[in-house]
Amino acid sequence: AQTVTQSQPEMSVQEAETVTLSCTYDTSESDYYLFWYKQPPSRQMILVIRQEAYKQQNATENRFSVNFQKAAKSFSLKISDSQLGDAAMYFCACTETSGSRLTFGEGTQLTVNP
Amino acid sequence: DTGVSQDPRHKITKRGQNVTFRCDPISEHNRLYWYRQTLGQGPEFLTYFQNEAQLEKSRLLSDRFSAERPKGSFSTLEIQRTEQGDSAMYLCASSQGTFTYNEQFFGPGTRLTVL
Repeated sequence: AQTVTQSQPEMSVQEAETVTLSCTYDTSESDYYLFWYKQPPSRQMILVIRQEAYKQQNATENRFSVNFQKAAKSFSLKISDSQLGDAAMYFCACTETSGSRLTFGEGTQLTVNP
Repeated sequence: DTGVSQDPRHKITKRGQNVTFRCDPISEHNRLYWYRQTLGQGPEFLTYFQNEAQLEKSRLLSDRFSAERPKGSFSTLEIQRTEQGDSAMYLCASSQGTFTYNEQFFGPGTRLTVL
């Protein structure tokens, strides 16, 4: 069984600044994938970034990047040049290659202050 | 491509009633997932289909819950004899292909309130 933990229920950042959201996970599999999903208020969840566990290079998508520490089972999300539209609930998720389900963390509510 | 759609968006029912939700995935997506999300929590996996076959069910899916995906297109999730603890957002997602890492596209959800 896999577990995902997000220890920051809420975070805030000033517009144009950088913020890092934390996530730790546990899985018995050697092959797995990690994701960050964004859920804006009253809107559907969308994928922000994806990391394959077998890749050592950290994934990046424009202003979003991850710090993947496999040995520590840590997967943090860095948002650079924060924008008002980044305000949302962010979920870390994990899926095993042999499985099907996404296992989500509890979420971090990000507020972006103008 | 209009995305994943779910109907209804909101449902209020009395305890003991049956409810049915519908999910229309993105066309040609062969995998369809159901998740449940309670307030302030992350989504929890309920079940998933590959085409018309239901391949996995969570222990969360009690015998009051049943899901179908006839002909591998839309899916329905039925809850019989609803309980107040069933109040939650029910999310549907779909993905293309048979690999787990394929992006799951989520619908807007159906919010169920059981009085």
